[in-house]
Amino acid sequence: EDQVTQSPEALRLQEGESSSLNCSYTVSGLRGLFWYRQDPGKGPEFLFTLYSAGEEKEKERLKATLTKKESFLHITAPKPEDSATYLCAALGGSTLGRLYFGRGTQLTVWP
Amino acid sequence: DTEVTQTPKHLVMGMTNKKSLKCEQHMGHRAMYWYKQKAKKPPELMFVYSYEKLSINESVPSRFSPECPNSSLLNLHLHALQPEDSALYLCASSQDDGTANSPLHFGNGTRLTVT
Repeated sequence: EDQVTQSPEALRLQEGESSSLNCSYTVSGLRGLFWYRQDPGKGPEFLFTLYSAGEEKEKERLKATLTKKESFLHITAPKPEDSATYLCAALGGSTLGRLYFGRGTQLTVWP
Repeated sequence: DTEVTQTPKHLVMGMTNKKSLKCEQHMGHRAMYWYKQKAKKPPELMFVYSYEKLSINESVPSRFSPECPNSSLLNLHLHALQPEDSALYLCASSQDDGTANSPLHFGNGTRLTVT
């Protein structure tokens, strides 16, 4: 079954405490792995796309990596404004245009 | 600010009402999407339009009727909804032809409450 699993469901970090979010996927024929950030009451905001194992992307305090089974979103020295839900989505399977979203990791960074 | 604009931001409707949600993008994207998101759940795909033609309908009940008048506009017509249809309805667009190979750009959604 094509699916995406994110862990942990929730993560609380102190400001400056680095950590990683995990996204495991079992989507056949992966064509892309996307990370989004979603603030309460808002739509998801695109962060990164990864297309092949070994690929890495960075943006400010965030770094995304991809292996053949999972992706990680590393957060270095987070700030309170990084608090949000981080969604991972895999593109693949038999239906073109269908993204398989994980349930997200709710990140809270406290001062 | 998001480049995909959705109106209204909030909508309350009764089960016998007819209403429409609107979405507009001016990025020249060729594909547009409707998603439904319940609280603390991931977005669920409803419809995909590619070059103004419906390419994917994820077995959505007929009380939801999508329309794509032109490449920049996407509507979702609502009729005889049920309370369980209450959710955040998200519109998105992408540069590809509806295959979602390029990133989706989401609007901020319409928060729908059915009473």
